[in-house]
Amino acid sequence: SAVISQKPSRDICQRGTSLTIQCQVDSQVTMMFWYRQQPGQSLTLIATANQGSEATYESGFVIDKFPISRPNLTFSTLTVSNMSPEDSSIYLCSVRRGPYGYTFGSGTRLTVV
Amino acid sequence: QKEVEQDPGPLSVPEGAIVSLNCTYSNSAFQYFMWYRQYSRKGPELLMYTYSSGNKEDGRFTAQVDKSSKYISLFIRDSQPSDSATYLCAMSGGAQKLVFGQGTRLTINP
Repeated sequence: SAVISQKPSRDICQRGTSLTIQCQVDSQVTMMFWYRQQPGQSLTLIATANQGSEATYESGFVIDKFPISRPNLTFSTLTVSNMSPEDSSIYLCSVRRGPYGYTFGSGTRLTVV
Repeated sequence: QKEVEQDPGPLSVPEGAIVSLNCTYSNSAFQYFMWYRQYSRKGPELLMYTYSSGNKEDGRFTAQVDKSSKYISLFIRDSQPSDSATYLCAMSGGAQKLVFGQGTRLTINP
């Protein structure tokens, strides 16, 4: 399975600022996924990032709030913009190979104060 | 109604007990069923997977899928303190996105 490096692992940010989370995969993948895991909640898909095209966002998530870059087949970033305390969550990137081959990074634990 | 329902627990059992974790779902298009284990401050890791209905066993772990009832289960035999984690069920229709349950926090007490 793929190895995913995600950073930062955690951060405490002031409201109104932005944080960019990086995700590096050890091999080329077509699709990368960004999830949010709120305290005590399930993982919710934010968007799917394909190399060379605009990311596809799920209902309730918009590009202005969560811009995503996918410059190549091994790297992606997610930015959480104009943060509020409600954005405090764990953000995870994931890649997929086949119907079962979902691998996750260790996550970024974000606290907005 | 959520597509996938999972009792969040927490669930606490003594070491050596048999643990049963369950999820129900509403989308009949789901064909691929997975269980992930998530340790504190880590990302989820794939534990078991099953296609369509049936059972699958891997060591102390057994995954069951009953598509007629839209119900999946994970059994852990001879539970160990190292099994203490959050267990998430997940499912998809193949090309469709992965949908997760809420996760059940499990503690195995020595």
